[in-house]
This record gives sequence, structure tokens and C-alpha cells, in this order.
Amino acid sequence: ETGVTQTPRHLVMGMTNKKSLKCEQHLGHNAMYWYKQSAKKPLELMFVYNFKEQTENNSVPSRFSPECPNSSHLFLHLHTLQPEDSALYLCASSQGPGQGISGRRNEQYFGPGTRLTVT
Amino acid sequence: TQLLEQSPQFLSIQEGENLTVYCNSSSVFSSLQWYRQEPGEGPVLLVTVVTGGEVKKLKRLTFQFGDARKDSSLHITAAQPGDTGLYLCAGARSSNTGKLIFGQGTTLQVKP
Repeated sequence: ETGVTQTPRHLVMGMTNKKSLKCEQHLGHNAMYWYKQSAKKPLELMFVYNFKEQTENNSVPSRFSPECPNSSHLFLHLHTLQPEDSALYLCASSQGPGQGISGRRNEQYFGPGTRLTVT
Repeated sequence: TQLLEQSPQFLSIQEGENLTVYCNSSSVFSSLQWYRQEPGEGPVLLVTVVTGGEVKKLKRLTFQFGDARKDSSLHITAAQPGDTGLYLCAGARSSNTGKLIFGQGTTLQVKP
């Protein structure tokens, strides 16, 4: 148990569906992240939020829409996805800029992921 | 492009053997982390190294940060089947952005 939860754990959706992934962290962190992990590829950073504000969008297609209502919750809204979007979507959190001990500020704690299959 | 190269990408060994995984870059990092990921789960943080030349031990795992803070290694002594998994190194260029650059991972299989 890392203190980061994700729901659902598995999701199968058609290309015309709309669904949302949810992430919640219980660590008191101020930064949250979405990553995509595909087979045989490095982890791909999608979005970064610091203190609820989006600070990075790594050229992610608009069919992925993140939302961060507060520092503890992060959503990823999905619509009109493609089969190549099938992957493990991971949420992570960290202390955040200027928070805590400098050397440990970048430590990220991951949720278990949502295995997404687009049919 | 900032890259972290991990080697080897795949490793299959017998229980009791020793192994070393390498993580190399041409860039300097303010800190470097190692994670282990099991199938169907998220990566779990193993260690953070911050100082050039730093060595940290976690039971049978020994982590080292290069003197120039551009590379790192993970050595496992007397590997066990429970060590099986994907090992990821991740480096931070800045201590203040939270953004990590991940290596492509090393898949380790330890056979009983």
C-alpha cells in the first residue's frame, strides 16, 4: 500500500465511449502525475499538477483531459479513444516544489494503475 | 533529449546468483531513484541517491550513485525468486520540479 489509490483497476471501453479514471493520494503531497505505460516502452509522462495547477502537458492528445480539483484527487477523462491508447495508466504523487527535504522532493509514489483496453 | 539508458534490458538467472543493473546518462542528475514494478502493479520506490559516490544498501540490494551523478548501479547478491520484476531507474534534473526521467527498465527473472 503506497498511499495512492486508483479506480477502476481494469477498464474496457469502445472508441465512442466516455469514461474517467480516478486517483486519490493520502500522503499530503502537493504534486500529482499521470503516466502511460505501454509494453516495451519507457514510462511516458502525460501531465503534471503542482498545487492543483497544471504545469506540464507532454503533448498529449486532447482526447485525454485531466482534472485536479484539489491536491489529493486527480482525474483523467477519456473520450473517443483509439486502440493504440490501450495501456496501463499510472498515477503518482510527490511532495511538490519547495516542499520537504530537497533530496527527497522528487520521490514519486505510484498507484496500482488502471489497465485500459480500447476496443 | 535527456535519456537514461538501462542495461541489460532482460536478465534471467538462477536463484543464488549475483547480478548488476546499470543506469547511464550523459546528463547530471540532482537525485536518482530506483523502483521495482511487479506485473499489473505500479512501480514501488526502493531508494533515492543524492550525493555523488553515495552507496546505499537495502538488505541484499546495493545501490551506487556515480561520482559525477550521471550514472547509477543496482547490485543484487544471492538473488531470490521474490526479486523478480521490472527495475526502473529515474533521474531528476532539478530538485524542485518533481519531474523524473525514466529508463526503459530491466526485466529480471530469478528461477528457483
